[in-house]
Amino acid sequence: AQKVTQAQTEISVVEKEDVTLDCVYETRDTTYYLFWYKQPPSGELVFLIRRNSFDEQNEISGRYSWNFQKSTSSFNFTITASQVVDSAVYFCALERPGDYKLSFGAGTTVTVRA
Amino acid sequence: NAGVMQNPRHLVRRRGQEARLRCSPMKGHSHVYWYRQLPEEGLKFMVYLQKENIIDESGMPKERFSAEFPKEGPSILRIQQVVRGDSAAYFCASSLAGGGEIQYFGPGTRLTVL
Repeated sequence: AQKVTQAQTEISVVEKEDVTLDCVYETRDTTYYLFWYKQPPSGELVFLIRRNSFDEQNEISGRYSWNFQKSTSSFNFTITASQVVDSAVYFCALERPGDYKLSFGAGTTVTVRA
Repeated sequence: NAGVMQNPRHLVRRRGQEARLRCSPMKGHSHVYWYRQLPEEGLKFMVYLQKENIIDESGMPKERFSAEFPKEGPSILRIQQVVRGDSAAYFCASSLAGGGEIQYFGPGTRLTVL
């Protein structure tokens, strides 16, 4: 069985602070895909990143960066110099090839205060 | 390039009525997924469809729920004889192919059962 754990339920920061969201996953598969999605207060789900299990390179996209470590089964997400518009619920998800469905973590609510 | 469209955005039904939720995938996408987000919970997979075929309905309740994705027209998630416990946000996602492809989500339909 596969499982995604986002242990942080809520994080509150002041604008310009950095914030790191933890994601720990469990799977017996050697091949799998990891995702992050953002759900702003308006409610839609916005795709942020996909990573396959063979690519352990960290990625940076603007103020967003991701740290994938297979040794600790973690795929953490950092927002640098947070802004109020970053306030949202962030979900980490796992997909097994051939399974098609995403298994989501419970989500982390990030509140950025001005 | 239009994204995934869902309608209605909000739906109110009384107990015992039927709810029909519609999803038009992104242009060129033939794979559709439905997820449910219950209050205070994460997203849970319900069903995965390709044109005219249900591929995986392992997350769908056995009774009252059905889904289709006809050759022409949107995918439909149908809930018969709704109960209060069906109140949730229902999200549709689409992808170009299965197996690790990015799933792009629609804005969701918020169902309220009175």
